[in-house]
Amino acid sequence: DVKVTQSSRYLVKRTGEKVFLECVQDMDHENMFWYRQDPGLGLRLIYFSYDVKMKEKGDIPEGYSVSREKKERFSLILESASTNQTSMYLCASSFVGEQYFGPGTRLTVT
Amino acid sequence: EDQVTQSPEALRLQEGESSSLNCSYTVSGLRGLFWYRQDPGKGPEFLFTLYSAGEEKEKERLKATLTKKESFLHITAPKPEDSATYLCAGGRIGSARQLTFGSGTQLTVLP
Repeated sequence: DVKVTQSSRYLVKRTGEKVFLECVQDMDHENMFWYRQDPGLGLRLIYFSYDVKMKEKGDIPEGYSVSREKKERFSLILESASTNQTSMYLCASSFVGEQYFGPGTRLTVT
Repeated sequence: EDQVTQSPEALRLQEGESSSLNCSYTVSGLRGLFWYRQDPGKGPEFLFTLYSAGEEKEKERLKATLTKKESFLHITAPKPEDSATYLCAGGRIGSARQLTFGSGTQLTVLP
């Protein structure tokens, strides 16, 4: 079975803090993705990576950055957390077709 | 611009009452149509991939079908444990971004 794990299920941070969300997959997938999911807005792509050290912006990259130093690990960084970044963050990985998702991190910024 | 639209937004069924969820897509050069199930507070769980019009896939009480413009997820004799949000997504040939997601159908099956 494909397994995608995320470092935290729940996270509470203060405004202005730097936040790291980690994602690890065990299927040697080339592609990895970060989404956020908000009620009424669905899944929105923040960044994705198709190889180590390679990244591309998704639909809503502002306020975020990413890092992929190893194939199995993809990190999402909130440089200076703001309250409008309170959301469910989902990581996914894929080879060619279907994406496999992690359990999600519910981030609250106060 | 690729678009995936799901209907209805929400659906309430009695246990055993069969129905269908719709996913309409406008994706240039569709490479695959994907269905997911998402339980509250969890990540989406992959269900099916459909590649060409006329294709069908089944899993337990679920059957997914694909035409040139839309996909249907048929739910036969649903049970309360089928309650979830069902997402569909389209993938385009040659697109590294791979998937455009619909906003989902929230299904509630009442005992």
